[in-house]
Amino acid sequence: GENVEQHPSTLSVQEGDSAVIKCTYSDSASNYFPWYKQELGKRPQLIIDIRSNVGEKKDQRIAVTLNKTAKHFSLHITETQPEDSAVYFCAASRNNNAGNMLTFGGGTRLMVKP
Amino acid sequence: NAGVTQTPKFQVLKTGQSMTLQCAQDMNHNSMYWYRQDPGMGLRLIYYSASEGTTDKGEVPNGYNVSRLNKREFSLRLESAAPSQTSVYFCASSVRSGGSTDTQYFGPGTRLTVL
Repeated sequence: GENVEQHPSTLSVQEGDSAVIKCTYSDSASNYFPWYKQELGKRPQLIIDIRSNVGEKKDQRIAVTLNKTAKHFSLHITETQPEDSAVYFCAASRNNNAGNMLTFGGGTRLMVKP
Repeated sequence: NAGVTQTPKFQVLKTGQSMTLQCAQDMNHNSMYWYRQDPGMGLRLIYYSASEGTTDKGEVPNGYNVSRLNKREFSLRLESAAPSQTSVYFCASSVRSGGSTDTQYFGPGTRLTVL
């Protein structure tokens, strides 16, 4: 089955700095890579996703890059703000006829210091 | 739209007790999922249902059963709760039955403690 590893487990940055979180996956057939943000006591919420037919996707201050050859993808947050503080999860899945089975990384706790 | 809803929000059980966690979605989604999240860890898939009338095991199905009651509702049952099942349980749904990679929308979670 798929295995997703995520680094670092904790990340502390100053407000205004950039943050980068990296994930690797094992299944070369995986073709969908979402990123979720989870605030304390809340549900995971999708912030950005990328499919394997593109190498990069941006949405305002966040971007995701994908390297299919190396089987890794990364989340980039620029101009970080205190409200970006949360746990971020990457995930991977592949097309199948039984739905979208996501395998999640272990999470990164991001702390943005004002 | 309420999106994905879950009941109860909190539950405390004694070892050996049984209970059912309820999940419903009003987005007309075909696929539904149950995950568990242990402290400091990512989510792990317990069971999923690609469409009404079908269910399949995920990564950690032991000790659980599910029922896809209709298109809207997907329940998770613990027949004999164990302390190792102490966790936060999230239900999720996505639009299509398969052959595609759709966004999953999560419910607010059920925090379960087994003593």
